[in-house]
Amino acid sequence: DTEVTQTPKHLVMGMTNKKSLKCEQHMGHRAMYWYKQKAKKPPELMFVYSYEKLSINESVPSRFSPECPNSSLLNLHLHALQPEDSALYLCASRGLAGGNEQFFGPGTRLTVL
Amino acid sequence: QQQVKQSPQSLIVQKGGIPIINCAYENTAFDYFPWYQQFPGKGPALLIAIRPDVSEKKEGRFTISFNKSAKQFSLHIMDSQPGDSATYFCAASGGSGGYQKVTFGTGTKLQVIP
Repeated sequence: DTEVTQTPKHLVMGMTNKKSLKCEQHMGHRAMYWYKQKAKKPPELMFVYSYEKLSINESVPSRFSPECPNSSLLNLHLHALQPEDSALYLCASRGLAGGNEQFFGPGTRLTVL
Repeated sequence: QQQVKQSPQSLIVQKGGIPIINCAYENTAFDYFPWYQQFPGKGPALLIAIRPDVSEKKEGRFTISFNKSAKQFSLHIMDSQPGDSATYFCAASGGSGGYQKVTFGTGTKLQVIP
């Protein structure tokens, strides 16, 4: 299984809502990533987890809260978002023993009203 | 020093043509150079990648050329097809373990006309 899955596929939320994005992989990868991608722009790194511990936080606002409950799952908790946070949120994973390849999920299209 | 510069921003070719996308980097600590293909509404998919000890790598219709001294690399798509129409991102990464970051180029939107 070489797939990274993300749910939901689409999410619409108000600025006062609390929601969560979910990412799952069963490739045994021990590094997992959250990216944000705006239209016509490259993915922008938000967080990196290595062995279920947060290793990189790219100065992301606290209204985004990541969580890695186990080696296969990665969540992104959202609270009090702004309309400018509307974007495609991508999860990726990478094996830490060997190659550098990052595998991306299909993304969650988030719209903040 | 973390930038990866990519050109052109967009490209239109006829079916069967050979589009070429160019990238340049500054950070000599980069040691892995992947190319990603992204269709609208989808996540990026790894297409092909190269390390700096190799000057060329070919996989199917896709070829990476790498010039370490010039700090440049490029993607060539042979016999391009309408199904190749997508946005292509070059990238570069270095470091190891959980501290590895991928730096993406700005992207090239390719359109292959039948």
